[in-house]
Amino acid sequence: GAVVSQHPSWVICKSGTSVKIECRSLDFQATTMFWYRQFPKQSLMLMATSNEGSKATYEQGVEKDKFLINHASLTLSTLTVTSAHPEDSSFYICSASLAGGSVGELFFGEGSRLTVL
Amino acid sequence: RKEVEQDPGPFNVPEGATVAFNCTYSNSASQSFFWYRQDCRKEPKLLMSVYSSGNEDGRFTAQLNRASQYISLLIRDSKLSDSATYLCVVTRGTYKYIFGTGTRLKVLA
Repeated sequence: GAVVSQHPSWVICKSGTSVKIECRSLDFQATTMFWYRQFPKQSLMLMATSNEGSKATYEQGVEKDKFLINHASLTLSTLTVTSAHPEDSSFYICSASLAGGSVGELFFGEGSRLTVL
Repeated sequence: RKEVEQDPGPFNVPEGATVAFNCTYSNSASQSFFWYRQDCRKEPKLLMSVYSSGNEDGRFTAQLNRASQYISLLIRDSKLSDSATYLCVVTRGTYKYIFGTGTRLKVLA
């Protein structure tokens, strides 16, 4: 199946620093990628939809200035958590669909576990 | 009310048992439905899509009831390896995937 790779798989940082997470589609082009956040024992919450070559679309309640998304190419989307705080500690997962903007199976990256001290 | 609701469980069942999960959704315009499986500290992986006519894949059967706005997953002859969290996924609009909180299953030896 399609492969989505995410890096880093885990990161520990100090409060106030910024952290960048990369999401790559390895064997297909993804015009649209999705970023999710999952707190322990909770659901995956869609944060934003990353569109190649244009601005990301953020879900209600997600601060676009705090969670910077860049989708510079058809195979790479990045999420930067700026000025991270302990409450940002979470499991961040990206995903992409082979069908592009239409409904199809979602392929997930391995996830990035962020711990902010 | 959450857009997609699931009983969080855990469901503790013995090996060989049959177990069923339900999931309700609030948006009647939802078009596509899936069950994903998520192991602890791992990314979700597609278990199966859910079709209006119902579909079966080995020991797994998924059904959709649009009138009552719920989908179900039936697992027959449970295996230890079935222990995981099962996520109900409903689409909103063209391509937004909305996840339920998941139902934890523990299959006991």
